[in-house]
Amino acid sequence: DAKTTQPPSMDCAEGRAANLPCNHSTISGNEYVYWYRQIHSQGPQYIIHGLKNNETNEMASLIITEDRKSSTLILPHATLRDTAVYYCIVRPSIYISSGSARQLTFGSGTQLTVLP
Amino acid sequence: NAGVTQTPKFQVLKTGQSMTLQCAQDMNHNSMYWYRQDPGMGLRLIYYSASEGTTDKGEVPNGYNVSRLNKREFSLRLESAAPSQTSVYFCASLVRPGTYHFGDGTRLSIL
Repeated sequence: DAKTTQPPSMDCAEGRAANLPCNHSTISGNEYVYWYRQIHSQGPQYIIHGLKNNETNEMASLIITEDRKSSTLILPHATLRDTAVYYCIVRPSIYISSGSARQLTFGSGTQLTVLP
Repeated sequence: NAGVTQTPKFQVLKTGQSMTLQCAQDMNHNSMYWYRQDPGMGLRLIYYSASEGTTDKGEVPNGYNVSRLNKREFSLRLESAAPSQTSVYFCASLVRPGTYHFGDGTRLSIL
């Protein structure tokens, strides 16, 4: 699986957009980019994923560069409840019957602190 | 988190004691997982169950056993707890490839 690099921490003012970068320069053509977040004392929560097109859902937007070597998760109007560790994960799309393809490798992520 | 329930939420054990962490999901998912999370280490997969009746080792299985009791329940057992197993344990079920639903964890301290 491709390795991802994220800044260890970021701050964002409440009500402003939070833009969280992720570098995945070794990503291959069949690998998806997933984003999860983990609010303190809770389990990780799925946010969004994409392959090469930009994606948007009710939680966030995902912008993937044309060369797919980096991506940005955008929280359009950050609130205090968005304070969390955000994980960028790359995962192959090919199904492997052993189940190992269903694993995600969580790194250290980015600690986003939304400031009042 | 609605959907994946872990019990207990907190537990303190003495070295050598045994215990079972319980996990149940009500979303009819086939695959379930146990992770541990240590400071600065991210989440590491202990065991997983691709479907009822099957279990497989993950990245850090030593010192643990699992049981997939039925489609809903997937338990993790520590036969002889060691201080190195102090951690937060998360159970998850697979919604679709790459998308997991996690429980809120069991915080386990071993003295």
